[in-house]
Amino acid sequence: DAGVTQSPTHLIKTRGQQVTLRCSPKSGHDTVSWYQQALGQGPQFIFQYYEEEERQRGNFPDRFSGHQFPNYSSELNVNALLLGDSALYLCASWGFAGRTSGNTIYFGEGSWLTVV
Amino acid sequence: GESVGLHLPTLSVQEGDNSIINCAYSNSASDYFIWYKQESGKGPQFIIDIRSNMDKRQGQRVTVLLNKTVKHLSLQIAATQPGDSAVYFCAENTLNTGNQFYFGTGTSLTVIP
Repeated sequence: DAGVTQSPTHLIKTRGQQVTLRCSPKSGHDTVSWYQQALGQGPQFIFQYYEEEERQRGNFPDRFSGHQFPNYSSELNVNALLLGDSALYLCASWGFAGRTSGNTIYFGEGSWLTVV
Repeated sequence: GESVGLHLPTLSVQEGDNSIINCAYSNSASDYFIWYKQESGKGPQFIIDIRSNMDKRQGQRVTVLLNKTVKHLSLQIAATQPGDSAVYFCAENTLNTGNQFYFGTGTSLTVIP
């Protein structure tokens, strides 16, 4: 049973460029959340997708957008990259009914983004 | 606003000793808490969770204690091993915030052989 998988694992982009990160949730999970983790900090919530719609959003600008596909996988897009966007981007998944059924949220290994 | 904090940013323990990592939260409505372990260069790994209707939950070598009165959470690791060296995060979730988790800044645990 594969866990949460993310790609790419590492990438370098130039300021002003655009980036797309991908995530496949854990088998049986239908909800995907994205987090940004700056060096030395805890993860910060970006947004969450369920039923192919953005359900909740953290305090991130519109440059950050996402998408969820019918197979529950998800993409995170960041436009007009800034140096400050350099971070580990984490995808997390769980079953929407998880909070009442005892399932928990699982993270992938993340995608390291460096903006130069 | 939400606030999840850790009392000690770093913790060093001797191999074989017990470790206690603390976490405070400010939202009395928080009803679900998770402890994560993050090794260098890796994503957070789930350790143990606890819901607000519980005071204590035990796993393999780990115990989480929840004190709702003082809004405090702790992670106890028994017989700490070198492989336990990592950054530990507590995360909290509140039903009225949906599935958004709030993380503290983490405690770095170093196990001394």
